[in-house]
Amino acid sequence: EVQLVESGGGLVQPGGSLRLSCAASGFTFNTYGMTWVRQPPGKGLEWISHISGNSGTIYYAGSVRGRFTVSRDNAKNSLYLQLSSLRAEDTALYFCARDYYDGNPNPKTDYWGQGTLVTVSS
Amino acid sequence: DIQMTQSPATVSASVGDRVTITCRASQSITGWLAWYQQKPGKAPKLLIYKASNLESGVPSRFSGSGSGTEFTLTITSLQPDDFATYYCQQYNTYPRTFGQGTKVEIK
Repeated sequence: EVQLVESGGGLVQPGGSLRLSCAASGFTFNTYGMTWVRQPPGKGLEWISHISGNSGTIYYAGSVRGRFTVSRDNAKNSLYLQLSSLRAEDTALYFCARDYYDGNPNPKTDYWGQGTLVTVSS
Repeated sequence: DIQMTQSPATVSASVGDRVTITCRASQSITGWLAWYQQKPGKAPKLLIYKASNLESGVPSRFSGSGSGTEFTLTITSLQPDDFATYYCQQYNTYPRTFGQGTKVEIK
């Protein structure tokens, strides 16, 4: 069974930093790309980052580029998101998700974790 | 970035109704469109990928169609478990982008 479990969220002051983690199990982690998506309270979904299985390809949304850094440790079946220079508008539930290459060039995002809440406030 | 626009924002419907949600892309995404269902406090669930392909385990009352810039999600015979918010997402190019969501509520 595919499982994705996020952790590391919490309350942080504006300008602060936080590192989110996503523990993966139930699939061969290093063969899948991974994605981070966030959702501000009561609002819609915002895609923020993708990292390929070998970390060779990384993409970011413009709203976080230069402030957030995605990484992974395939030996630990773990995905990370380093959040820096945090702003009030970064307050959201952060989801990690799996990108599945089903024979097509563009992977679909199929399994999602339950999310970890980041609150940026003084 | 490709902008995704969903309509309507809210649908009021009854059990047994047919519901259609539209998603428009600001430029062609060929067929690289996914639909997700999200219930309050839960993670999104993939329903449809590549515009019209039903994800494994998803009931056949859900269907998707479209290509290029215009897509639809149809729920035939709405069930109590279907009251939720639905999002489209383009995965043709990065950054991937979502529509703003359509809430299907009880009439």
